[in-house]
Amino acid sequence: NAGVTQTPKFQVLKTGQSMTLQCAQDMNHNSMYWYRQDPGMGLRLIYYSASEGTTDKGEVPNGYNVSRLNKREFSLRLESAAPSQTSVYFCASSVSAAVFYEQYFGPGTRLTVT
Amino acid sequence: AQKITQTQPGMFVQEKEAVTLDCTYDTSDQSYGLFWYKQPSSGEMIFLIYQGSYDEQNATEGRYSLNFQKARKSANLVISASQLGDSAMYFCAMREGRNAGGTSYGKLTFGQGTILTVHP
Repeated sequence: NAGVTQTPKFQVLKTGQSMTLQCAQDMNHNSMYWYRQDPGMGLRLIYYSASEGTTDKGEVPNGYNVSRLNKREFSLRLESAAPSQTSVYFCASSVSAAVFYEQYFGPGTRLTVT
Repeated sequence: AQKITQTQPGMFVQEKEAVTLDCTYDTSDQSYGLFWYKQPSSGEMIFLIYQGSYDEQNATEGRYSLNFQKARKSANLVISASQLGDSAMYFCAMREGRNAGGTSYGKLTFGQGTILTVHP
């Protein structure tokens, strides 16, 4: 079992460029999440997908879009990267959105926007 | 207002000693879950322990235990017999039952984290 995988691991973008961060899980989980972690801080939710076919905004959605491609895959797109989007991005999945299930995290993507 | 507060930016402990990492939370939900995650310097997020709001007993997982005091809204992590490999950032997090729109989506709200350093 690979768990939650993310690609790429590292990326450097110029301001205005676009890119898509890929996430896949092999645990048959229903819910998937995208978080960002800025230096010295906890994670903040960008977008989530409570179940296949649904997506919704989290705390910090501006500048991002998502696609729940199927039950396994949940991608995050930056349409026009800005330096403020320099961060570490984590994808996570959970059996469901119920409060008693832990979230499993991918290894993260370290993104730098210059 | 902060939903999760971790007041200790950094903690030091001697190897083999026990250490308590503090966490207080704020919610008006009756149904919620409290989680602790470990983030080593390599960056991954590792789930450690879970406590449900309706659980009457404190959760334990090996050397980790959660000191849950519901009336005080605290969920402190206790690590017994610290090891050098325990040196990491530790995050307390909460999942609440409903968001503002009334639909459960299971978002985790994280505290700022505590950096634990274990000395030999």
